[in-house]
Amino acid sequence: AQTVTQSQPEMSVQEAETVTLSCTYDTSESDYYLFWYKQPPSRQMILVIRQEAYKQQNATENRFSVNFQKAAKSFSLKISDSQLGDAAMYFCAYLTGANNLFFGTGTRLTVIP
Amino acid sequence: NAGVTQTPKFRILKIGQSMTLQCTQDMNHNYMYWYRQDPGMGLKLIYYSVGAGITDKGEVPNGYNVSRSTTEDFPLRLELAAPSQTSVYFCASSLNTEAFFGQGTRLTVV
Repeated sequence: AQTVTQSQPEMSVQEAETVTLSCTYDTSESDYYLFWYKQPPSRQMILVIRQEAYKQQNATENRFSVNFQKAAKSFSLKISDSQLGDAAMYFCAYLTGANNLFFGTGTRLTVIP
Repeated sequence: NAGVTQTPKFRILKIGQSMTLQCTQDMNHNYMYWYRQDPGMGLKLIYYSVGAGITDKGEVPNGYNVSRSTTEDFPLRLELAAPSQTSVYFCASSLNTEAFFGQGTRLTVV
């Protein structure tokens, strides 16, 4: 079974600084997708960034980028120039070949003005 | 474009009562999912469906049932509510890889 581990329950960052959120996963599949979702207090799940396992190039979306290490089964999220609106729960997620989406336990990010 | 719509948004149930959480999507997605999110935790997959007429168990299916008679609708049924089912429930749908989530239903069983 796939597992997704987020070892940082809470992180904080100064506004305009950079923060990295960690995620590791366990799988026997060779082809899969990884995601970072943001959940603000509104409860809405918002897709931040996606990475296809067969692509070696790390995904980027504006201030958000990932460091995908397939051999190490690691998938960290870097947020640059942090903004107050980035404060939220962040979930790492793994999509299996059968299209099941498994989530980690989340990291609560606080942005300090 | 409504996306994924869940009703109700909030509900309080007494132990032993039953209810159905409704979920509908207007994006013609094949895949639909039900998750529960306990306080401070991630989302756990309850049931999923790969298309109309096909459903399967996820990580935590006990105490729940689902049906998928149409592409659009994927209701989640709680037959005998228990305090352990107090949680926030999310419905989601996807066509390929990106999942779209509803706003969630906060359920309290007392």
